[in-house]
Amino acid sequence: EVQLAESGGGLVQPGGSLRLSCVASGFTFSDYWMHWVRQVPGEGPVWVSRINGEGVTAYADSVKGRFTISRDNSKNTLFLQMNGLSAEDTAMYYCARDPAAGHTNGYYDYWGQGILVTVSS
Amino acid sequence: DVQMTQSPSTLSASVGDRVTITCRASQNINIWLAWYQQKPGKAPKILIYEASNLKSGVPSRFSGSGSGTEFTLTISSLQPDDFATYYCQQYVYDWTFGQGTRVEIK
Repeated sequence: EVQLAESGGGLVQPGGSLRLSCVASGFTFSDYWMHWVRQVPGEGPVWVSRINGEGVTAYADSVKGRFTISRDNSKNTLFLQMNGLSAEDTAMYYCARDPAAGHTNGYYDYWGQGILVTVSS
Repeated sequence: DVQMTQSPSTLSASVGDRVTITCRASQNINIWLAWYQQKPGKAPKILIYEASNLKSGVPSRFSGSGSGTEFTLTISSLQPDDFATYYCQQYVYDWTFGQGTRVEIK
């Protein structure tokens, strides 16, 4: 059974940093593109970042230069390092899997349960 | 950026009703569109991909259609489990979601 489990969220002051983790199980993690998606309650999800199996990355303009996505295929873990946080980054953060092994389909077939990040003084 | 606009924002319907949700893209996205269902406190769940392909395990009362810039999600006979928020997502120019359509009990 495919499972994704996020951790590392919480309350952080403006300008601070957090590192989110997403542990994957039930599939060959290294074969799949992985994404981070965030969602403010009551709004639609927003794509944040993605990484392919070889480590090639892409970012939304709103987080470029502040967030870094990475993965440790030996530990089946996806990361999101978030620096320079502001109130606008407050959201539920989800890791999500692209369903195509070895390439990309573009949509998401599995999501984690989400982890809340709150940026406030 | 490709903008995705859903209508209506809220839809009131009864069990057994046929329900249609529309999603418009600000530019041509061919068939590269997915539909998700989200319930409170849960992650989105994939229903439809490539505009009209039903994901395995999703009830056949859900269907999708469209191409280019206009798409629809139809629920042929609304069931109690279907009261939720629905999102469209394009995945040809990065990844963009619509703002959502909440389906509520009439």
